[in-house]
Amino acid sequence: DVKVTQSSRYLVKRTGEKVFLECVQDMDHENMFWYRQDPGLGLRLIYFSYDVKMKEKGDIPEGYSVSREKKERFSLILESASTNQTSMYLCASSLPTGRNEQYFGPGTRLTVT
Amino acid sequence: GNSVTQMEGPVTLSEEAFLTINCTYTATGYPSLFWYVQYPGEGLQLLLKATKADDKGSNKGFEATYRKETTSFHLEKGSVQVSDSAVYFCALSRNNAGNMLTFGGGTRLMVKP
Repeated sequence: DVKVTQSSRYLVKRTGEKVFLECVQDMDHENMFWYRQDPGLGLRLIYFSYDVKMKEKGDIPEGYSVSREKKERFSLILESASTNQTSMYLCASSLPTGRNEQYFGPGTRLTVT
Repeated sequence: GNSVTQMEGPVTLSEEAFLTINCTYTATGYPSLFWYVQYPGEGLQLLLKATKADDKGSNKGFEATYRKETTSFHLEKGSVQVSDSAVYFCALSRNNAGNMLTFGGGTRLMVKP
């Protein structure tokens, strides 16, 4: 059974803290994605990686960075968390071409106080 | 640029009612179109997809037809069940090789017994 796992389901952090969200996939997929999900806005792409150590900015990269040192793992980093980064964060992976589905993890609900 | 517009929810129906969730898109080229579903407490999972004009995607009694002339991909089901209660997202593949998706805002469906 294919699987994308995320390190935490719920996370509470303070303003200014550095936050790491981890994502692991077991499908040997080249592509991995980080989204944030907010009511009424759907999913917005933060960053995308198409290979180890490769990354591209998505639609809303400001305030975030990513790391992909191994094919199966993709990390999202909030360098200095702010309250407007309180959201649901979803990780996904896929094969490289444009017609393949993305497989999603269960999400991490991050609250920044 | 690319965009996806869905009808706002929540949509509340009684069991066995007919369901339509409207989705229209703006895109360059010929994107693939997707419906994803998010059950409570879970990540998104692919419900169905269509890769070219006039294709019909179907799964679990749901179906949607890729209409290029009206730039639409409406989701329909003839008889909904309580277990269909979820949030439904329409999405399109961006015209690139990276399999990036643009999502609509999501439509919450609530089915009452």
